Amino acid sequence: KAGVTQTPRYLIKTRGQQVTLSCSPISGHRSVSWYQQTPGQGLQFLFEYFSETQRNKGNFPGRFSGRQFSNSRSEMNVSTLELGDSALYLCASRKLRGESPGELFFGEGSRLTVL
Amino acid sequence: EDQVTQSPEALRLQEGESSSLNCSYTVSGLRGLFWYRQDPGKGPEFLFTLYSAGEEKEKERLKATLTKKESFLHITAPKPEDSATYLCAVGVGYSTLTFGKGTMLLVSP
Repeated sequence: KAGVTQTPRYLIKTRGQQVTLSCSPISGHRSVSWYQQTPGQGLQFLFEYFSETQRNKGNFPGRFSGRQFSNSRSEMNVSTLELGDSALYLCASRKLRGESPGELFFGEGSRLTVL
Repeated sequence: EDQVTQSPEALRLQEGESSSLNCSYTVSGLRGLFWYRQDPGKGPEFLFTLYSAGEEKEKERLKATLTKKESFLHITAPKPEDSATYLCAVGVGYSTLTFGKGTMLLVSP
C-alpha cells in the first residue's frame, strides 16, 4: 500500500516568489492535514481538509492557503515568500475525520529554502 | 494556551542503558496523547495513542504511560536503531495536534 506522497521533495525559492506543494494521501484516506516543521518552533498545524473543504486552520497568515481535490489530493500554496518560511512542510492523511486526531500517516515532506 | 513540553531536548545512551523521555502538557479538552518517532529526512511515524490517566501501551522496547499532566516514553535496553527524534503531541478538537519540540535520542553501540 503506497504511503503519503509529497512533491517536490526539495525546492529553493527567493523572497517574494510563491510556491505550490502537492500531497497525495494514502488511497482511501479522505482527510489531509498540513504541518510546518522548523528547528525553532517544531511542528505547527497549518490546516486540515476533508471532502474538499477546509475544516480547521492554524495560526498562520493568509499567505498560506490550500485546497483539496475530489480525489483527496491536496495542494498548499505560500505566496510572497519570506525567509522565515524556510521549513519542512509535512502532509499527513487519515481515513476519516471523526477518527482519532492523532493517528496520522505522514509523508516525507517538502523541504523549502527561501533565499 | 495549549502547551506541550518535552525533556530532555537531547539524550545520549549506551546500548542497553534504559531511560525515559518526558512529555508534560497543559491543554483543555484533551483528545488523546500521541507519540511519534521521526528519523532524519523522514516524516513522523505514529507509535502510540493514550487516552486516559493510568493507560499504558507497549511496542518492542518502548512503553508509553500517561498521567493527568504528563506522559513518559520508557526505553528498555535500547539499540542503535532506536536512535531518532521522539515527538509527543496532544489532540485538541477533531483535527488539530499540538506537538512538543521533541527529544533527540542517540544510542551508541
